Amino acid sequence: TQLLEQSPQFLSIQEGENLTVYCNSSSVFSSLQWYRQEPGEGPVLLVTVVTGGEVKKLKRLTFQFGDARKDSSLHITAAQPGDTGLYLCAEPTVSGYSTLTFGKGTMLLVSP
Amino acid sequence: NAGVTQTPKFRILKIGQSMTLQCTQDMNHNYMYWYRQDPGMGLKLIYYSVGAGITDKGEVPNGYNVSRSTTEDFPLRLELAAPSQTSVYFCASRVDVHEQFFGPGTRLTVL
Repeated sequence: TQLLEQSPQFLSIQEGENLTVYCNSSSVFSSLQWYRQEPGEGPVLLVTVVTGGEVKKLKRLTFQFGDARKDSSLHITAAQPGDTGLYLCAEPTVSGYSTLTFGKGTMLLVSP
Repeated sequence: NAGVTQTPKFRILKIGQSMTLQCTQDMNHNYMYWYRQDPGMGLKLIYYSVGAGITDKGEVPNGYNVSRSTTEDFPLRLELAAPSQTSVYFCASRVDVHEQFFGPGTRLTVL
């Protein structure tokens, strides 16, 4: 059974602080996606990482994929209240790439 | 494009009632999905479809049914609502393995 562990579960910070959230798997990722879900909305894809060691940047967000493809991190620089939301990682289900398995998410609250 | 639309946005049901959650996408995606999201539990897959006329169970299908008669529509049916089905329901569609597009969700309460 695929298991995606995300940490921390909850993070509350002040505007301007930096933070890192993590996603780890019990097995090697084929690829990994990060989604952000704002309150009252559906998740929206932020990035997909495929290659071990890959680093992708999206404005103030930096995504890293571990060399062994068993872990990934999302780093936010100078967090803003608009970054508030639930950050979910997901990977294609091992049994077939038709579906995704999601982690439980990290809830981020950025206060002004 | 409207993307993925879901109706209703909110609904309260009594135990034993039935209802259909509607989902429509205008992106001509073959793959469509239904998830439920409970607090602190992430997204659990209920049912999915790889094309019109083809559906398959996900991780938590009990108490639900689906049909896919057209590419655009993928309704989710609750026949005998139970308090355990209180949740937020999301419909999604995708064009390839790397991105799913989600609707805004339906918040369902069963009392």
